[in-house]
Amino acid sequence: AQSVTQPDIHITVSEGASLELRCNYSYGATPYLFWYVQSPGQGLQLLLKYFSGDTLVQGIKGFEAEFKRSQSSFNLRKPSVHWSDAAEYFCAVGFSGGYNKLIFGAGTRLAVHP
Amino acid sequence: DAGVIQSPRHEVTEMGQEVTLRCKPISGHNSLFWYRQTMMRGLELLIYFNNNVPIDDSGMPEDRFSAKMPNASFSTLKIQPSEPRDSAVYFCASKPGQANYYGYTFGSGTRLTVV
Repeated sequence: AQSVTQPDIHITVSEGASLELRCNYSYGATPYLFWYVQSPGQGLQLLLKYFSGDTLVQGIKGFEAEFKRSQSSFNLRKPSVHWSDAAEYFCAVGFSGGYNKLIFGAGTRLAVHP
Repeated sequence: DAGVIQSPRHEVTEMGQEVTLRCKPISGHNSLFWYRQTMMRGLELLIYFNNNVPIDDSGMPEDRFSAKMPNASFSTLKIQPSEPRDSAVYFCASKPGQANYYGYTFGSGTRLTVV
């Protein structure tokens, strides 16, 4: 069955440090991949997405993500974290072949220390 | 575009009462999704519609929950009767087509508290 795993429930980084959030999926073909961010009390906002082409994609707020087919991963990165990046981050996967819905990971909560 | 609009933003109701949550998707989006978010269970897909037709309601927890989409610009999620365990944030999301390379646009959610 298709699935999405975000191995880290909580991550804490210092402001200015680099960040990598992990996402792994289980599927036999190339999926469509998304990262969303949810600030407290808000809905989910799309950061970036991948469905073909260059495996390194750029998103909003200085985030990027890299699709690695061999590792079934789509990790989110940011070179220098700002205090305003503290939020919950969700990886989501869409599959071809008749499916019409995204499957979301459990989320990673990011805390940023000053 | 105003985005996906949900109302109310907050709802507090007593157990046993009927609750109706509302959603207006982005104009031109023909897929609409209702999610529930709790600390314990995370994001759960309740139901989704394509072209106003319910496609998959397997996530609806029980018969107390019902959803309708009478036209392309409006959907409701109704809980009758409500119970304290229904307390959660309910999100509506829409996307422009069936293909999965479209991302969802989420509303700001309705925080439901059943006392």
